[in-house]
Amino acid sequence: DAKTTQPPSMDCAEGRAANLPCNHSTISGNEYVYWYRQIHSQGPQYIIHGLKNNETNEMASLIITEDRKSSTLILPHATLRDTAVYYCIVRVADNYGQNFVFGPGTRLSVLP
Amino acid sequence: KAGVTQTPRYLIKTRGQQVTLSCSPISGHRSVSWYQQTPGQGLQFLFEYFSETQRNKGNFPGRFSGRQFSNSRSEMNVSTLELGDSALYLCASSARPSGGSYNEQFFGPGTRLTVL
Repeated sequence: DAKTTQPPSMDCAEGRAANLPCNHSTISGNEYVYWYRQIHSQGPQYIIHGLKNNETNEMASLIITEDRKSSTLILPHATLRDTAVYYCIVRVADNYGQNFVFGPGTRLSVLP
Repeated sequence: KAGVTQTPRYLIKTRGQQVTLSCSPISGHRSVSWYQQTPGQGLQFLFEYFSETQRNKGNFPGRFSGRQFSNSRSEMNVSTLELGDSALYLCASSARPSGGSYNEQFFGPGTRLTVL
């Protein structure tokens, strides 16, 4: 099972910031938080990842709370092309080794 | 740099047949992971190969198998197809194996398999 919980859907007005929350209350100290997104009928696309500190790249910013139990992905100026399913992933270790476990994600709709 | 390529993009098979899907990773990437995506179960990890060795395996039956070649290209095979195997099969490549502390995976466009 995924170790993260996200709202199933969100709307955002075009040009405004989109703030996508993720809860990962059972995260352990050496686990990273990754964000991917999947635009309809395409493969998932890497957005950003972080461990403790806030991170920013050309696509987004990642804010991780001090206790690391939750994080927020920020798309500063959402466009229609940002409409996608956004996945928050915490890397897990199971009997088979470490792999990515995708939850259902948040379906973000950017509205004109 | 070319991205991850998967062939074929679309495939229709009947129950009981077997199928082989191919994935070519980004040049220089040695890790290839496979995922199955269905509307009901979402994205599920199948297995990962690194340097021709299977490193990790998801919770799928033995009908699902894979291999990796010396040039890092990978194939996955599904034998005795069932209706429930209809899905989008995604391949992802990364420079390092998933056991490392950093692993950005680049996904291909997927192969959409329909089992009739």
